Amino acid sequence: VQLQESGPGVVKPSETLSLTCGVSGFPISGGYYWGWVRQPPGKGLEWIGSIYQSGNTHYNSSLRSRVTISVDTPKNQFSLKLSSMIAADTAVYYCARHLHSPDMGRTYFDYWGQGILVTVSS
Amino acid sequence: QSALTQPRSVSGSPGQSVTIACTGTSSDVGGYDSVSWYQQYPGKAPKLMIYDVNKRPSGVPYRFSGSKSGNTASLTISGLQAEDEADYYCCSYADTYSLIFGGGTKLTVL
Repeated sequence: VQLQESGPGVVKPSETLSLTCGVSGFPISGGYYWGWVRQPPGKGLEWIGSIYQSGNTHYNSSLRSRVTISVDTPKNQFSLKLSSMIAADTAVYYCARHLHSPDMGRTYFDYWGQGILVTVSS
Repeated sequence: QSALTQPRSVSGSPGQSVTIACTGTSSDVGGYDSVSWYQQYPGKAPKLMIYDVNKRPSGVPYRFSGSKSGNTASLTISGLQAEDEADYYCCSYADTYSLIFGGGTKLTVL
């Protein structure tokens, strides 16, 4: 399973960030969630949200108002949109395969992309 | 939702054992048997080391083990090796279809 993030390295304040995660070696419809995690420079990991093959999504409550995650099954990829970007959104953004089973209270990320640094700057 | 609490740093000599604690609440760590641990080298993506509190993915050395008691989970590394020097993050399922990471712990091998 391999994941690869793509998108702009610089975004202007107030603009919307758009990132895509291409998945290879495993069908995106294969029964997992697919998630986004970010890490500001020198800081810890923060979950942004995740999407299931059906389009069902779960978002971090602190970002919910600004986040949209979508899935493109034919292209085997999923995407992140984060609106109203500010300097504090500067981070490395990772996509990952996510075993997320709310019914059983289970969650973990087993395969990760290499990450993409997104800087918010005018 | 605050991050799970981890020590900012721990250290140990080669061959020793170290334990990293991860403290949460009854709404996350204490409420579910779903704690995972990730190892991260500088400039690299995190790597899953432990899931479901104490399960090791294929390829992870046996010297990495996980446990949980109440609202605190722990990662123990036995027979410490130089290559274990990295940042470690815990993660737990949390109420209402969510999850939360710990603040991270820097492990130094002396």
